[in-house]
Amino acid sequence: GAGVSQTPSNKVTEKGKYVELRCDPISGHTALYWYRQSLGQGPEFLIYFQGTGAADDSGLPNDRFFAVRPEGSVSTLKIQRTERGDSAVYLCASSSFGGQGAETGELFFGEGSRLTVL
Amino acid sequence: DQQVKQNSPSLSVQEGRISILNCDYTNSMFDYFLWYKKYPAEGPTFLISISSIKDKNEDGRFTVFLNKSAKHLSLHIVPSQPGDSAVYFCAASVGNAGNNRKLIWGLGTSLAVNP
Repeated sequence: GAGVSQTPSNKVTEKGKYVELRCDPISGHTALYWYRQSLGQGPEFLIYFQGTGAADDSGLPNDRFFAVRPEGSVSTLKIQRTERGDSAVYLCASSSFGGQGAETGELFFGEGSRLTVL
Repeated sequence: DQQVKQNSPSLSVQEGRISILNCDYTNSMFDYFLWYKKYPAEGPTFLISISSIKDKNEDGRFTVFLNKSAKHLSLHIVPSQPGDSAVYFCAASVGNAGNNRKLIWGLGTSLAVNP
């Protein structure tokens, strides 16, 4: 598809379990972002990749959260020992340095993965 | 501490009238501002942006005004249409090397355009 794809769209898990959320960015976009949106809040920055490397992971809340982008395309956000407070919509976005959207600085978002920790 | 503030959680306007959504910020280092629209169960979609070197940017029915001295920006939608009903987020960033658009977001304003 042409847009940012995120899977799963919904994930329900139990407290203490491990979760992986996947993001497939727009083809050719070198920059990839993870954001988290809790109910009634705006999106909150988690991590930014430029290519394969995490250029800015200052938004990861603690060491239970980790993200990878091994080939510079698909990214996986990994959450260990999930807690109820991790429940949120996890949004992935991508952008292009020189292509579509570069002039506006816009990020292209996926539909998000809704995580519910019981 | 909210660096980007949208003080109106909701706004209701009549179809055909102007919608004005407001946003205030505290960080004078912000140099780029964006407005996103979000429908339920969808990701945010980009509307319009403005650089801090400008005071106005217009795209069709959407115009963003920036008042740097007041650290205030507003989004004007005219004429408003029922399809504009959504949550509108104001976001800001500080220019970084490369393409890092680490956005700081407001809480959003829910706009309802009534037929």
